[in-house]
Amino acid sequence: AQSVTQLDSHVSVSEGTPVLLRCNYSSSYSPSLFWYVQHPNKGLQLLLKYTSAATLVKGINGFEAEFKKSETSFHLTKPSAHMSDAAEYFCVVSDQLQDSGYALNFGKGTSLLVTP
Amino acid sequence: GAVVSQHPSWVICKSGTSVKIECRSLDFQATTMFWYRQFPKQSLMLMATSNEGSKATYEQGVEKDKFLINHASLTLSTLTVTSAHPEDSSFYICSAMDREQFFGPGTRLTVL
Repeated sequence: AQSVTQLDSHVSVSEGTPVLLRCNYSSSYSPSLFWYVQHPNKGLQLLLKYTSAATLVKGINGFEAEFKKSETSFHLTKPSAHMSDAAEYFCVVSDQLQDSGYALNFGKGTSLLVTP
Repeated sequence: GAVVSQHPSWVICKSGTSVKIECRSLDFQATTMFWYRQFPKQSLMLMATSNEGSKATYEQGVEKDKFLINHASLTLSTLTVTSAHPEDSSFYICSAMDREQFFGPGTRLTVL
């Protein structure tokens, strides 16, 4: 099965400074990778996804991630943090199911704190 | 975008009772739905894959007799926690497949 490792359980940044959330993946073949965000009391929202097209993926709210096969990484970045970015972020890899498309394997999550 | 709803959003029940959680895809049909469980400050763990009209496929370690899943239509899947115990208290999240997974807002279950 494919898996992801989120290297930081907590990240704290000041408003207006860059954000870097790190994720490494383990895969026996070319994976599909995702970043999801979870705000308190809200459903998971897809930020962006990589599916073997361009290695630099742009998502919503100014986030982007770069797929680096040589480093087996898929780090999430944003040039300037906003207070509303404070949330839990999950790096996710898809795992192909036999008959039903695919299931998602979630990383343990990174809690992003944005300070004024 | 595609919308998935869950009902109820939270439920408190006594130990030994059964609780049903509904997951609906509001504006699309979903052949496949997924059920996840999330413990506080932890990641989502896939419990089972639900296919319309067939039996659910459970992940290793998930008791199928305790967590009953019914996917009776292309827009509705239900998860019933039978004879609930305090250790079943958790946040349950469903997702529905429409070229990608769309997630419901989750249901917080507290078993007293």
